[in-house]
Formats: sequence, structure tokens, C-alpha cells
Amino acid sequence: EDQVTQSPEALRLQEGESSSLNCSYTVSGLRGLFWYRQDPGKGPEFLFTLYSAGEEKEKERLKATLTKKESFLHITAPKPEDSATYLCAVLGGAQKLVFGQGTRLTINP
Amino acid sequence: DSGVTQTPKHLITATGQRVTLRCSPRSGDLSVYWYQQSLDQGLQFLIQYYNGEERAKGNILERFSAQQFPDLHSELNLSSLELGDSALYFCASSVNPGQGSSPLHFGNGTRLTVT
Repeated sequence: EDQVTQSPEALRLQEGESSSLNCSYTVSGLRGLFWYRQDPGKGPEFLFTLYSAGEEKEKERLKATLTKKESFLHITAPKPEDSATYLCAVLGGAQKLVFGQGTRLTINP
Repeated sequence: DSGVTQTPKHLITATGQRVTLRCSPRSGDLSVYWYQQSLDQGLQFLIQYYNGEERAKGNILERFSAQQFPDLHSELNLSSLELGDSALYFCASSVNPGQGSSPLHFGNGTRLTVT
């Protein structure tokens, strides 16, 4: 059974303090790993798709990387508006997206 | 704005009742997905439709059913409701039939409270 574990559950940073969120996964035949951002009271918003180990994607202050067992979402010099829950999901051979529990990120000004 | 519309935003009902949640996908998207999000379970895939046909099934209870209509909007029917069914229900849509082959666009959800 495909599984996704995200850590930490919650992370509080000061504005400008860079850090990384972790997504560990077990999946039979990875077809893709996805990062979403979810604001309170809203649906998840798509950020990135990664398909193979070594791949990296960037968007503003966010960079996602992928290895054979985990993915990292690096946040550089974050701002308060980056506060949100970040969700990781994997698509394996069963062709069904499996989401992690998310990391709740808070950036203090 | 993702372009996916869900109604109602909030729903409060009693145990044993039946409710219908409605979703209009983003213009041009043929796939509709339903997800349940609760505090302890995270985001759980329920069911997917593509162009009116059921495409994939996840952890959907027998008390729950869904359909996609010719105009591509979808409805999720929840019956014999239990306290444990209280959750956020999200609809998402995408262009392609395969999960992950194109990004999912989520609506803002329906918050269901069963009392």
C-alpha cells in the first residue's frame, strides 16, 4: 500500500528564516510526486509535480527536490504570506493519489 | 480562484439523514474527483468520474454514491449519516482522465457537520 509521511507536523519560523519540509514515501512504481499548498478554509492549490529522482522545480521562494525515498520542499527567506499547510501526494502504480497529513507552516513577521 | 465551484459551503444535519453535495468543474475539465478531509485522516480519495463514467474508486463507503451529469457537474450523495461523517468534502477537476497526468484543481469544499 502506498504511504506518505510528512514531517514536521507543524513548523514555526521567523520571516527570512529558511528551512525545509520533508515528505517520505513508499510506493510501488512512482508515477509522480506532487506538492500542494492549502490555506485555511480553502482547497489545496497545486504547486509542483516531480517525476524522477534528481528532479528539481522552483517557484518564487519554494524549491522542491526528489530522491528515491523522499522529497523536500525548501523555503528560502519566507514571508508571512507563505504561511499555509503544505501537502505532499504520490501517484503509484495503482493510479490513485495518496496524500500525506501535511505540514502546517507559520511564518512570523 | 481555481474555477471549481462547490455548494453548499456549510451543511449541518442530523444522524440518519441524507445530503447531496454539488460540484461544477473548471471549464474544459472532464474529470471530477471527490475527496474527504478530516483532522485524523487527512485528504482521502473517494471517487473519480471522467466524462460521465466512473473512472476510479477509493475509500468510499457503500452509504455514499456519486454521479457526473452530461453537463459535467457532479453530485456526491451521503446517506444514513453518522457522526463520523463530519468532515470537509472537496471536489477537484482535471483535464485528463489519469490521476496525476494533469494537476488537480480543487474547490473550496463543503463542510459537513452531523449532529
